[in-house]
Amino acid sequence: GQNIDQPTEMTATEGAIVQINCTYQTSGFNGLFWYQQHAGEAPTFLSYNVLDGLEEKGRFSSFLSRSKGYSYLLLKELQMKDSASYLCAVGNTNAGKSTFGDGTTLTVKP
Amino acid sequence: DAGVTQSPTHLIKTRGQQVTLRCSPKSGHDTVSWYQQALGQGPQFIFQYYEEEERQRGNFPDRFSGHQFPNYSSELNVNALWLGDSALYLCASSLVDRGRDGYTFGSGTRLTVV
Repeated sequence: GQNIDQPTEMTATEGAIVQINCTYQTSGFNGLFWYQQHAGEAPTFLSYNVLDGLEEKGRFSSFLSRSKGYSYLLLKELQMKDSASYLCAVGNTNAGKSTFGDGTTLTVKP
Repeated sequence: DAGVTQSPTHLIKTRGQQVTLRCSPKSGHDTVSWYQQALGQGPQFIFQYYEEEERQRGNFPDRFSGHQFPNYSSELNVNALWLGDSALYLCASSLVDRGRDGYTFGSGTRLTVV
């Protein structure tokens, strides 16, 4: 079976750094994805990790440790527009099913 | 470059009725996946279509069925609607051999069953 855990809510201040953690237990692991979903909108792809380590993409970075079943999304220089839900998803087979966590709602305050 | 298009955007149906949701994938994508997202939860995988065949299926009853057409567009059909089927239905397109690119999601169809 699949089990993905991430905090329900987080709050951070504009300009700060925030780390959103995700732990997973899964079979057939084929990569970990992060998506951003603003309220009432569709999720948008942020990052993909399949090997251990850090992937940096602008203000966003994502880390993976396969042995620990752990990932985090790091958001730097937070902006108000970063207020959204962040979904951690595990890919099970190549381009196949992804299993999503319930998302972490991030609120950025002035 | 058009993204993923879903129709309709909103739908209200009565318990027991049937519904068909439609999806046109992003140009160049060949794979369509359907997800159900209840309020406050993550998307739940329904099934995936590739080359007009159901490639994978999640834990959803047979009341949920789908189809993919030669132009890669797809339909999701739900029969004998339950109140619990009320949710946002998301269509996600991708390339079968580019899993690392993730999904491109449509804006979804908000289904309300009364």
